Amino acid sequence: GESVGLHLPTLSVQEGDNSIINCAYSNSASDYFIWYKQESGKGPQFIIDIRSNMDKRQGQRVTVLLNKTVKHLSLQIAATQPGDSAVYFCAENVLNTPLVFGKGTRLSVIA
Amino acid sequence: NAGVTQTPKFRVLKTGQSMTLLCAQDMNHEYMYWYRQDPGMGLRLIHYSVGEGTTAKGEVPDGYNVSRLKKQNFLLGLESAAPSQTSVYFCASTGKGFAGELFFGEGSRLTVL
Repeated sequence: GESVGLHLPTLSVQEGDNSIINCAYSNSASDYFIWYKQESGKGPQFIIDIRSNMDKRQGQRVTVLLNKTVKHLSLQIAATQPGDSAVYFCAENVLNTPLVFGKGTRLSVIA
Repeated sequence: NAGVTQTPKFRVLKTGQSMTLLCAQDMNHEYMYWYRQDPGMGLRLIHYSVGEGTTAKGEVPDGYNVSRLKKQNFLLGLESAAPSQTSVYFCASTGKGFAGELFFGEGSRLTVL
């Protein structure tokens, strides 16, 4: 089947800097994308989502960018804080099928 | 609000034993899912349900069975546990169909010896 993957398994960022977490997807038919944050010992938590008819969506301190030409998704976190340290997952779905999750990127914030 | 509740949170089984994981949600969601999470593998879908009385296979359904007799509950059963089923299991639910935010439980850590 199609896969959702990540360029970097780990990312270390200085506190206060911006973080960029990348995700590549291979299914050109995917029409919905979502980012989750998972802290140690907890279940994943929703961060932000985007549909394929958009190329950018902003939330509080987070922005998701979608480049359908190169099948690339990114999550930008502004002014990264220690509380942002977690594993981040991207996921995609094609109409009427369940979400498919990537393997995750660990973000470590250096104080 | 409780959201999505999984029980038990921890369990140790011997090979060949059976057990059931219970997922309960109080958000009146139609869709419910069971995932397993292994190191370096992300979240893999075991089974899912799009409504009371319905179930469907996901990516890794072998060795598991599920039931959705009530809308708020989704049960995951292991008939004969194997060490390969050692994992952290997450239940999730959503009221927005396949393309929508999933609400996850806190996970159930299962060890099969």
